[in-house]
Amino acid sequence: GAVVSQHPSWVICKSGTSVKIECRSLDFQATTMFWYRQFPKQSLMLMATSNEGSKATYEQGVEKDKFLINHASLTLSTLTVTSAHPEDSSFYICSARAHFPGAGGYEQYFGPGTRLTVT
Amino acid sequence: KNEVEQSPQNLTAQEGEFITINCSYSVGISALHWLQQHPGGGIVSLFMLSSGKKKHGRLIATINIQEKHSSLHITASHPRDSAVYICAVGGNKLVFGAGTILRVKS
Repeated sequence: GAVVSQHPSWVICKSGTSVKIECRSLDFQATTMFWYRQFPKQSLMLMATSNEGSKATYEQGVEKDKFLINHASLTLSTLTVTSAHPEDSSFYICSARAHFPGAGGYEQYFGPGTRLTVT
Repeated sequence: KNEVEQSPQNLTAQEGEFITINCSYSVGISALHWLQQHPGGGIVSLFMLSSGKKKHGRLIATINIQEKHSSLHITASHPRDSAVYICAVGGNKLVFGAGTILRVKS
């Protein structure tokens, strides 16, 4: 199956600093990438949808100036948490969606996640 | 009522047992995903299916579109299968179930 990677897998940063998380589709070109957030013992929550070359679409309640998303190529999307605060500590997960004609349509694959701790 | 309901919420099994986790949904879908999340947090995509049945190793996933129901089966379960199993449905945007916590004891 297709592989999506995230880097770093975990990061600790100080309050007030910014941290960038990368999401890469390793063996396919993703037309759309999604960013999710997961708090402890809760399910994934969609933060934003990102299409290559265009601005991301943010879900209600997600601050676009705080969570900057860049989808510069068909294999890379980045999420930058700006001026991080302890309440931003969470597990951030991306997924990548592409059209696989042999598989009969669109498929979506998830990255392993990045654990962010803000101290 | 949640749009995606998983059952059971928690499941403890003995090594070697056959395990079934269920997912019922009320939203329209183009695909259903089964994900595995280990205690460290890492997510693994297990299956994406829109009809019928898929098999990978000891894992089998089925979906009944008419009944809006999917099942994930694990044959010959092993302690390393212990994880949270998450069902997600939708098209471009996914709706996630709350997850099923599986513990397989040796």
